[in-house]
Formats: sequence, structure tokens, C-alpha cells
Amino acid sequence: DVKVTQSSRYLVKRTGEKVFLECVQDMDHENMFWYRQDPGLGLRLIYFSYDVKMKEKGDIPEGYSVSREKKERFSLILESASTNQTSMYLCASSESTGTGTTQYFGPGTRLLVL
Amino acid sequence: GESVGLHLPTLSVQEGDNSIINCAYSNSASDYFIWYKQESGKGPQFIIDIRSNMDKRQGQRVTVLLNKTVKHLSLQIAATQPGDSAVYFCAENTGRRALTFGSGTRLQVQP
Repeated sequence: DVKVTQSSRYLVKRTGEKVFLECVQDMDHENMFWYRQDPGLGLRLIYFSYDVKMKEKGDIPEGYSVSREKKERFSLILESASTNQTSMYLCASSESTGTGTTQYFGPGTRLLVL
Repeated sequence: GESVGLHLPTLSVQEGDNSIINCAYSNSASDYFIWYKQESGKGPQFIIDIRSNMDKRQGQRVTVLLNKTVKHLSLQIAATQPGDSAVYFCAENTGRRALTFGSGTRLQVQP
């Protein structure tokens, strides 16, 4: 079974803090993704990566950066957390067989920025 | 999770009945579709997928139907159980590696 893990289930941070969200997958998947999920807005793509050290902006990259130094690990970074970044953050991974491959999700990290 | 459901349409069914959850997609070029289930406090879980060259695909107690003419996708759950209570999302592949997700439907199963 594919397993995607996220470093924290719940996080509370203060405005202006630097925040790291870590995601690890154990299936040697090429692609990894970060989404945020908010009421009424569904899942929105922040960034994704299709290879080590490669990254591509999603639909809402502002205020975020990412790092992919190893194939199994994809980090989401909030350089200076703001209250509007309070959300549920979901990491996913998929194989690289072109378009049309299933994404497998982690359990999510619920972030509260005070 | 719970916070996802504040503005979601809700389908309420009796245990043992069949459920049908619908999804309209926007991109006629989409060639791959997935249904996910998300239980409270958890990440989305893959249920079933279908490619655009198919009209129907069946899994265990679930069937996905694709109508490309009207850009409509549906998920049918047979003999719905309390454990099926969750938010269900459809997702489409719009030509890049990432997916585009629908806003979701909450399924409530009444005992």
C-alpha cells in the first residue's frame, strides 16, 4: 500500500513565524503535491514537484515555497506565516506515467496561525 | 475534515439504499477522472477512477459513470453503509500532472 505521511497533524504558529511542513512517501513516486483545503473552496494546488530539485507553481503559490532535496520528501515552507494561511494542508504523491495517474494523500496537517 | 463540510451539498440516505453522487466537470479535454472519499479529520482516499475512453467502471460496491457529452460524472454506491458517511470529491486531470478537484458532496447515512 502507498503510504504518505505528514510530519504533524496539528500545528499552532504565530504570525511572522517560519513554518515547515514535511511530507514523506514510501512508494518511489516521481510526483509530489501540496494542496490546501478550505471550507467552500475545496482543494487548491499550491506547488508540485515532478522530480528531485524540480518544482512548479500551482494555483495559489503566493506566500509559500517548497523544497525537494530527496525523492521521497517534499517540504512546504511558509516564510512568514499569516492568519490567512490558517488551513488544512494536504500532501499527495503519484507515479510519473504522464497525465492521468492517481494521487495518494497523506492525513493532512491542520495549521492555525494566530 | 469537518471544516470542509460547511458549504457542501448534502445527500442523506437510509442504510442499505443505493447512493448516487454527481459531479459536473468543466474541461472537455479532461481524460482521466477520480473519485475520492474524505472522512472527518483524514486525507482524501482513492475510491475509483475512469479514463475518458470508458463510460462505466465498477469496483467493489461502487460504480463510476462518465457522460462526456454533458461532462457529467457520477458515483454509485450500492447498499450504503454507515461507514460510507464522508465527503466525496471528484477530480479531473486537465492535461497537466496535477488534478482539479470538485467542491465535494457530503453523504450522510441514516441507520
